[in-house]
Amino acid sequence: EAGVAQSPRYKIIEKRQSVAFWCNPISGHATLYWYQQILGQGPKLLIQFQNNGVVDDSQLPKDRFSAERLKGVDSTLKIQPAKLEDSAVYLCASSLELGQSYGYTFGSGTRLTVV
Amino acid sequence: KNEVEQSPQNLTAQEGEFITINCSYSVGISALHWLQQHPGGGIVSLFMLSSGKKKHGRLIATINIQEKHSSLHITASHPRDSAVYICAVKDNQFYFGTGTSLTVIP
Repeated sequence: EAGVAQSPRYKIIEKRQSVAFWCNPISGHATLYWYQQILGQGPKLLIQFQNNGVVDDSQLPKDRFSAERLKGVDSTLKIQPAKLEDSAVYLCASSLELGQSYGYTFGSGTRLTVV
Repeated sequence: KNEVEQSPQNLTAQEGEFITINCSYSVGISALHWLQQHPGGGIVSLFMLSSGKKKHGRLIATINIQEKHSSLHITASHPRDSAVYICAVKDNQFYFGTGTSLTVIP
């Protein structure tokens, strides 16, 4: 079974530039999560999708962050414009169903450095 | 307020030692996960627990639902076990601990 694919692996941008990350979840996984992990901290949930609908985006800084999951499969996370404090690893994860105790799988993440 | 608390934050052990990492949580959960994150790498799910105990190789995870507490044990630790271990609990969303950074010295 293929895992959760993310790209790019690394990205360096200047502040105020824009950046986009891509995630392809495991085939058949209805639920997709984007997390931000700042160095030395645990992951923080940014947004959770069930198919192509948003379940929870309460911690997403909507003035600069946006995410979409068209057709309920791949997802993109965008930051526009980026700030220095956005430097972090952005992790995508997927699971079969929302609210079930199924296991979930993380991608390898995109490490963003804003300079 | 953190829904999930882990201890210790940092842990250094000699190769071969028995290691315990603790996790306490304050929310009602359907499952608890132990995750392993290597430097520069992605996150690997080690265990998913809703009750009792699970064992995989040298790793053992236990959970006490009444006390809202879980432990991850590593027997006969090895330098390749060096990683950050994260506890995460799930009701409708995941809540993560800040992780325990483990270094095993040869």
